This record gives sequence, structure tokens and C-alpha cells, in this order.
Amino acid sequence: EDKVVQSPLSLVVHEGDTVTLNCSYEVTNFRSLLWYKQEKKAPTFLFMLTSSGIEKKSGRLSSILDKKELFSILNITATQTGDSAVYLCAVEWGIQGAQKLVFGQGTRLTINP
Amino acid sequence: NAGVMQNPRHLVRRRGQEARLRCSPMKGHSHVYWYRQLPEEGLKFMVYLQKENIIDESGMPKERFSAEFPKEGPSILRIQQVVRGDSAAYFCASSLFGRASYEQYFGPGTRLTVT
Repeated sequence: EDKVVQSPLSLVVHEGDTVTLNCSYEVTNFRSLLWYKQEKKAPTFLFMLTSSGIEKKSGRLSSILDKKELFSILNITATQTGDSAVYLCAVEWGIQGAQKLVFGQGTRLTINP
Repeated sequence: NAGVMQNPRHLVRRRGQEARLRCSPMKGHSHVYWYRQLPEEGLKFMVYLQKENIIDESGMPKERFSAEFPKEGPSILRIQQVVRGDSAAYFCASSLFGRASYEQYFGPGTRLTVT
């Protein structure tokens, strides 16, 4: 059965701290791993990762995938209160034309001033 | 270019009533996906539709739930005889081409509360 597990489920830090969010997965026919940020509304796309060891970077956010150990991390440096959100990891798997997207349960990140 | 639109944003139904959730995809998008998010859980895939076709409904409960995406008009997710366990946020996403996940744009969601 396909499975995506995120940890921690909840994290509270102070502004300026660096955080690392984890996502591990077990799927067949892995295609890609995606990170989303969800505030009070719809998830917004952050990164898509398909290859191991290649870091994707956007400002203070970065992410990397390890396809051998089946996990990804999302790093946020110099956190700000606006980073407070639920961060969702999703894995796309399956054969071409029949792909599925499975989400983890999310990590609720709270940044205190 | 307006994004994915969903309405209503909030819907309250009594047990046994029907709930109809609407999703208008981004302009030009012909692929629609519905997801359900229960409290404290991640998004769970329900159904994938193209215009007038259901492509994959493997995530839909077998009873009471149905979805359509007619040639004209929004996609509709219908829940008949709602129960308290149906209370959740229902998100719709759309894409221009096939199923590549990074191309899915999400709507703001409909929060269904069953009393």
C-alpha cells in the first residue's frame, strides 16, 4: 500500500531559527515528490523533485530527495512568522497515464516572533 | 487569469441532506481532480475527471459520492445523505495537460460541516 509519512507532525520555533521537515515514502513506480505550503486555503506548490541528490532552492527554502533511502527534506533558514503554515509532502507514483498523487499528513510549522 | 474557483467556500448541511460542491477550473484547463482533507490529515485523492469523462475514481467512497465534469459548466462533487464523517475540506485542482502533479493548481476549497 502506498504511504507517505511526514515528521514531525508539529513544530514550534522562534523567528530566525532553521527548520528541517522530513518526508518518507513507500510507493511503487515512483515518479516525483512534491512539497506544498498550505496556509488557510489551498496548497501552493513549492518544489518538485525527481532526481536524487540535486538540491532545489527558492530563497530561504531548499529541498533534496534521496531515492535510495526513500525520503526528502525541506529546509527553511532564517524563518519568519510568515512561514507559519502546514507543509505537505506528496508523492506521484504509478505508470504513465495512471499516475496517482498521495499526500502525507503534513507538518504544522509555527514560527513565534 | 482567474485561478481555480470553488463554491461555496463554506457549506453546512444536516445529516441526510445532499451537498453539492462546485469547481470551475482555470481557463483552458480540461482536467479536474478532487481531494478531501479530514481534520489533521493530509489531502486524499478522490477522483480525476476530464470533460464528460471520469478517468480515475479509485479514491471515491463506493456509496453516496459522485462526481461529474460536463461539457459546459463546472465540475460537481455530490454527496448524498451526508453523515458527520463527511465533514472535511474538499479541494479541487485543475491542470492543462495530463496528470503531471506539479501542473495541478488548487482551488481555495469548500469546507463542509455536517450537523
